[in-house]
Amino acid sequence: DAMVIQNPRYQVTQFGKPVTLSCSQTLNHNVMYWYQQKSSQAPKLLFHYYDKDFNNEADTPDNFQSRRPNTSFCFLDIRSPGLGDAAMYLCATSRDGSGEQYFGPGTRLTVT
Amino acid sequence: DAKTTQPPSMDCAEGRAANLPCNHSTISGNEYVYWYRQIHSQGPQYIIHGLKNNETNEMASLIITEDRKSSTLILPHATLRDTAVYYCIVSERGATNKLIFGTGTLLAVQP
Repeated sequence: DAMVIQNPRYQVTQFGKPVTLSCSQTLNHNVMYWYQQKSSQAPKLLFHYYDKDFNNEADTPDNFQSRRPNTSFCFLDIRSPGLGDAAMYLCATSRDGSGEQYFGPGTRLTVT
Repeated sequence: DAKTTQPPSMDCAEGRAANLPCNHSTISGNEYVYWYRQIHSQGPQYIIHGLKNNETNEMASLIITEDRKSSTLILPHATLRDTAVYYCIVSERGATNKLIFGTGTLLAVQP
């Protein structure tokens, strides 16, 4: 089945130690998104790619970066994780012009 | 900021219809109404969307008022697996369809 895959499902990192979360998709969608969801809050959009074009949300901290080497893969890099970055990170995809986004299961990040 | 208002929580008896309201009084003419749900510890799941006509699919029905200032998501026969947070979102249907999630409604289906 076509899907959005996130690895790992659970990630533990140390304060200040860079971490990378990955997302892959078999849907061949040209738009990919990263959301942050903190405990008991709604998902919050960090940035998205339209094809290779990167679009950052205005309030996304500089500590968060992203890479999209090809259509299928997208990475979220957190350069120096703080305790406040502990959250569920959700990857989603959509097809150009469609209002439907397909979400992965998320990666739960713990910062110790 | 989210452009929708939803009740924080609702209960529904299993097998009965669940009617989830959403207020979007500042919706503009080219904005669609989208509904997503998020079951605990999973990613959000698309349910349905509409512009001004009522819509129905295998999961739910969407009723949009004539003035488009509010809508109702209807789950016709709620099951325990429908327990989730339901998000109502308004968004322009453009190339990238950014979703701004509000606080949503926690629907608890009771046995």
